[in-house]
Amino acid sequence: QVQLVQSGDEVKQPGASVRVSCKASGHTSSRNDISWVRQAPGQGLEWMGWISGYTYTGNTHYAQKLQGRVTITTDTSTRTTYMELRSLSSDDAAMYYCATTEVPSQRFAFDVWGQGTMVTVSS
Amino acid sequence: DIQMTQSPSSLSASVGDRVTITCRASQSISSYLNWYQQKPGKAPKFLIYSASSLQSGVPSRFSGSGSGTEFTLTITSLQPEDLATYYCQQSYTTPLTFGGGTKVEIK
Repeated sequence: QVQLVQSGDEVKQPGASVRVSCKASGHTSSRNDISWVRQAPGQGLEWMGWISGYTYTGNTHYAQKLQGRVTITTDTSTRTTYMELRSLSSDDAAMYYCATTEVPSQRFAFDVWGQGTMVTVSS
Repeated sequence: DIQMTQSPSSLSASVGDRVTITCRASQSISSYLNWYQQKPGKAPKFLIYSASSLQSGVPSRFSGSGSGTEFTLTITSLQPEDLATYYCQQSYTTPLTFGGGTKVEIK
């Protein structure tokens, strides 16, 4: 089964950008679309966007509220997916997760999650 | 966007109790409904997909039902390790959306 390992916690100033990585290891399938989900402290889960499986064209789709500030990319040679979020504000302070599915015939039922990356926004 | 509404937002029950959590979608999502369990400080754990299919390895005391706009997650005999927050998520269309969560506490 695929495992997802994320990069370490980040501390950023307001207005800065952050890039979080998510490396897939183990048996992977070309259908391993990667989604990003975030969770502000004490709050619920918020889907940010996804990128299609890395052997495909890398099509992306983003949540409208983040459109223009978020970019998801994949380096197929290292099986690493990146999520970049720009113009950070205190509202972006959250735990960021990457997630994928290995459930047959399911595209967005996330049975595999990264361990999470905490992004702190502070001056 | 499809809004997902969970109820209750929290509940307290005793070990051995039957617990039911409801999730309502703002429009029909057929059976594209998933359930997750999240314990403090941990990533969500996948429990149920397609409204009623139990993920491999998940205890059989967990079950899901429903279709269209109304869904339920049932824990037939609550165990101490079930202390967690539970989320529903629609996978019918993007943007994917989650319910607000139900925090389950043990009396």
